[in-house]
Order: sequence, then C-alpha cells, then structure tokens
Amino acid sequence: DADVTQTPRNRITKTGKRIMLECSQTKGHDRMYWYRQDPGLGLRLIYYSFDVKDINKGEISDGYSVSRQAQAKFSLSLESAIPNQTALYFCATSDRDRGGTEAFFGQGTRLTVV
Amino acid sequence: GNSVTQMEGPVTLSEEAFLTINCTYTATGYPSLFWYVQYPGEGLQLLLKATKADDKGSNKGFEATYRKETTSFHLEKGSVQVSDSAVYFCALSDAGSNYKLTFGKGTLLTVNP
Repeated sequence: DADVTQTPRNRITKTGKRIMLECSQTKGHDRMYWYRQDPGLGLRLIYYSFDVKDINKGEISDGYSVSRQAQAKFSLSLESAIPNQTALYFCATSDRDRGGTEAFFGQGTRLTVV
Repeated sequence: GNSVTQMEGPVTLSEEAFLTINCTYTATGYPSLFWYVQYPGEGLQLLLKATKADDKGSNKGFEATYRKETTSFHLEKGSVQVSDSAVYFCALSDAGSNYKLTFGKGTLLTVNP
C-alpha cells in the first residue's frame, strides 16, 4: 500500500458543485500539504497543516478549504467548483521542522470541472 | 520571499546524451536544496538533495552540487536513458519558510532511443 493515498484518482464535476478530495498517510508525519499542479506553473501550495490544530493558507487558497480530521487525514474541499480549478492536485507529508526533510507525495487527483 | 528558477523545457535528448538542467534560487536563509522527479502518471519523488554549501547530492546517476556563491543547484547526468523521461522539479526549503517547499516550474525531459 502507498504511504500517501489520495482519493479519488480522477474526478469530473460540474461547475458549482461541492467536491472533496481526500488524503490519508501511514508515514506518521505531522505535516501535510495540498498542492495544485498546472502545466507551466509547477506546484503551488494551497493549504498546509503542521499538526491537527494548526492549519494555514498557502499561496492560492481562495476557493478552497481544508479539514485535518486526524494526524493521518487531510481533506481538501472546493465549495463551489469552477472550471479554472481544473488541475492535478497532490497531497504531501513531511516530518517535523528540520533542514533537508523530504516530502512524500500521493499519486495525485486529476480534477476536471466542466 | 523564496523562489526557484529552473530552465524551461521541454528538453529532448537522445539516449546516452549528457543532461544538464539549470536551477538557481533566491532564499532569505540557508536553504536545503532538492531535485524531485515526476514520472508519467505518478506523484513526485525525491531524486536527490543537499543541505549545505558545496554538498553534492547524487542518486541513479544524477548529481547536483550546492553552489552558494552562484545560488545554483544544477542537475546533471552523464548518460541519459529512455527511462529517465520525466518532469524534474528543483525545490528549496529553509527555516524562514518553516521548512515548506518552494518549487520551480518543472522541466519536462524526453529521451529518445
């Protein structure tokens, strides 16, 4: 089983619908992240959480919300999906703050908003 | 704030050619530097890293040296294979950003037989 699991892997939804992307991890890491990948733009940070009670906005949080239900679970919601939220979404985890810490990524969720 | 600039792709090479992907960075502190690789249909995985100046990271025939004087961390491989075809991301993290990763835009490498 993968260390970082994202569900669903692919999703097509209609404009205006609410959708939730889920992420679970077995790494035992405190830190979890949601990124968005768009062609030519690399990865941009949407939200991050350093522990269950600590949630922070990233560089592109507008239109998104998150919930850290447990140390191992971090979900991303689009309250009212719009077409420019069509992208590849990645969840990642890392260990506590220290230099050189590696991030571990899920396989991604491809979201299409029509 | 922190930023990473890497050479724009796509890069297309023949098998056994030499690869260089340039990466330069701006950081307020003393960052750790990373190269991540994304194979088709997969998430990112760490390829190599360096945590202080003059360190050389290496893995799978790839290497990169942390050059503080030129704020660079260029990725090199002496002889690429078709299986190296992927997107490569340069990234950094430092204490000033609470060790969050800042990524470059990625470079698509295609290696032809």
